[in-house]
Amino acid sequence: DGGITQSPKYLFRKEGQNVTLSCEQNLNHDAMYWYRQDPGQGLRLIYYSQIVNDFQKGDIAEGYSVSREKKESFPLTVTSAQKNPTAFYLCASSIPGQKQFFGPGTRLTVL
Amino acid sequence: GIQVEQSPPDLILQEGANSTLRCNFSDSVNNLQWFHQNPWGQLINLFYIPSGTKQNGRLSATTVATERYSLLYISSSQTTDSGVYFCAVGPGTSYDKVIFGPGTSLSVIP
Repeated sequence: DGGITQSPKYLFRKEGQNVTLSCEQNLNHDAMYWYRQDPGQGLRLIYYSQIVNDFQKGDIAEGYSVSREKKESFPLTVTSAQKNPTAFYLCASSIPGQKQFFGPGTRLTVL
Repeated sequence: GIQVEQSPPDLILQEGANSTLRCNFSDSVNNLQWFHQNPWGQLINLFYIPSGTKQNGRLSATTVATERYSLLYISSSQTTDSGVYFCAVGPGTSYDKVIFGPGTSLSVIP
């Protein structure tokens, strides 16, 4: 099956911890994206990558970090510097400038 | 940067009714997408429609790029159409990101 997988589905973090959210795609897409969604709100872009070993900050990159060592994978680390990380995190991929496909999301809660 | 607006913000329909959702954007775009987010959070790409009209079953979309708007039509609505509808624009000539609108929340009641 072609698609995008995100893990875990639910994640709980203690204050001061870094956590890493996984995003994997087998669609052979060059571009990958991370979005944050707060309850009742739209999607805000955290980071995006158009090609392996390159990525750019989105609108709310502070407190987050990413890597793009493989075409298939674009993990997102939520660091302790992110003061309000409780949210729904969505990963997407696309051929650059074309239709985006989304994973099922990860719900992160800070305890 | 480019601004994306959607209207109405909320919509309640009786099952079987038709509706039109609107997306306005402030700059020229090379592409535009419509998404449906179901109550479990999954985003489904409905249309990739930088210009013109497309139809998929009970849904159709029209983008008039020169006038900077797009419309999503839902006919004979069903309860499974409930959720949030987002339009997203970009990348464009003056920006390299995909920008999402705030969404229209649709509730279809039996």
